[in-house]
Amino acid sequence: ILNVEQSPQSLHVQEGDSTNFTCSFPSSNFYALHWYRWETAKSPEALFVMTLNGDEKKKGRISATLNTKEGYSYLYIKGSQPEDSATYLCAFLSGGYNKLIFGAGTRLAVHP
Amino acid sequence: EADIYQTPRYLVIGTGKKITLECSQTMGHDKMYWYQQDPGMELHLIHYSYGVNSTEKGDLSSESTVSRIRTEHFPLTLESARPSHTSQYLCASRRDSSYEQYFGPGTRLTVT
Repeated sequence: ILNVEQSPQSLHVQEGDSTNFTCSFPSSNFYALHWYRWETAKSPEALFVMTLNGDEKKKGRISATLNTKEGYSYLYIKGSQPEDSATYLCAFLSGGYNKLIFGAGTRLAVHP
Repeated sequence: EADIYQTPRYLVIGTGKKITLECSQTMGHDKMYWYQQDPGMELHLIHYSYGVNSTEKGDLSSESTVSRIRTEHFPLTLESARPSHTSQYLCASRRDSSYEQYFGPGTRLTVT
């Protein structure tokens, strides 16, 4: 059974704080790791697709790292803003299974 | 912004009714997916399609059925709704050359 764990489940921070969350996934048969951002009442939107061990991706104040050997990815948000409030989902794609396996997400609330 | 649409966005319906959740995309993607998500839980794949006249069941057993008569349209039907079907249903699609999925905004279904 393929399992993806995300922590923490929820996070409350103040505007300007930097924050990070974790996605853990099976380290065997890795193909890709996706991060999605899901704002309330909107569609989940892809942030990053990561495929190589050691990958680092950056989009504005958001960045992500990938360690496929130990099976984890970190998502970092520098200087959080209220508009960063959303659920951040990670999804694992195994080489032997052609479909994404999602974690339950980290719900981030940034307070002004 | 992704061109994938779901209707209705919210639906409250009585037990025993037949319902169809609509999903359409204008991107010409062959691959389409239906996910179900209960509050605070992972997205679970319930159906997918790799093209016209192709449909498969996903990991999570579901009493719903799907059809794919046209590339752009992937409706999901519940013949007889029950309270256990209360959940959020998300539709997604992707192009063949990428595993990045584009999501619709979801349908939040409540069966009373």
